[in-house]
Amino acid sequence: QVQLAQSGAEVRRPGASVKVSCKASGYNLNLYYLNWVRQAPGQGLEWMGWINPKIGVTHVAQKFQGRVTLTRDTSIVTAYMEVSGLMSDDTAVYFCARGALITFGGQTATPFDNWGQGSLVIVSS
Amino acid sequence: EIVMTQSPISLPVTPGEPASISCRSSESLLHGNGYNYLDWYLQKPGQSPQLLISLASKRASGVPGRFSGSGSGTDFTLEISRVEAEDVGGVYYCMQARQTPYTFGQGTKLEIK
Repeated sequence: QVQLAQSGAEVRRPGASVKVSCKASGYNLNLYYLNWVRQAPGQGLEWMGWINPKIGVTHVAQKFQGRVTLTRDTSIVTAYMEVSGLMSDDTAVYFCARGALITFGGQTATPFDNWGQGSLVIVSS
Repeated sequence: EIVMTQSPISLPVTPGEPASISCRSSESLLHGNGYNYLDWYLQKPGQSPQLLISLASKRASGVPGRFSGSGSGTDFTLEISRVEAEDVGGVYYCMQARQTPYTFGQGTKLEIK
């Protein structure tokens, strides 16, 4: 079955960077968008961006542009999300989520039909 | 960006009774292809979200038939025909996928009446 296995919890100082991984199994990573969503403690869900793993094209929400980098290593079927310039309000659980099948002319990278277990990132001095 | 507004934020329910959650968008989610790009997710305590409904009314694989979605344009509804105990305690989110950034409603928590 489809599984997305994420890396463990991280603690960082303000201003540092963190890189979260998401390893796919049970399906072909190259065929589906891979999205990232975060959830601050006790708060709702916030979409951050997607990557087309086959060609490496990304789309990051404007709010996060310049600070968030999405990459992938298809040889180990793993996607990555790196956040730089961390601030305390970046403290959150970060989820990867499989999106839509990638098709020519497709309208959206959704829905998110399989999710990783989440990776807690704590930013604290 | 499109703003999503859910109501109510907290919904007291009685197992065996129906329940309904409303979701409104600040812009139409209806695409020229006829689809409404509106999804529903459920996040149970301590778990990752799970997809319930996509394209406003398409039930995801494995989702019980008691869940249904409806609506078009800017007004959408998630209905549970008969609430079961496992449905309570979770937070239900709508999300628009009409344009990026995809945005979520603030969530609706089902609680026992």
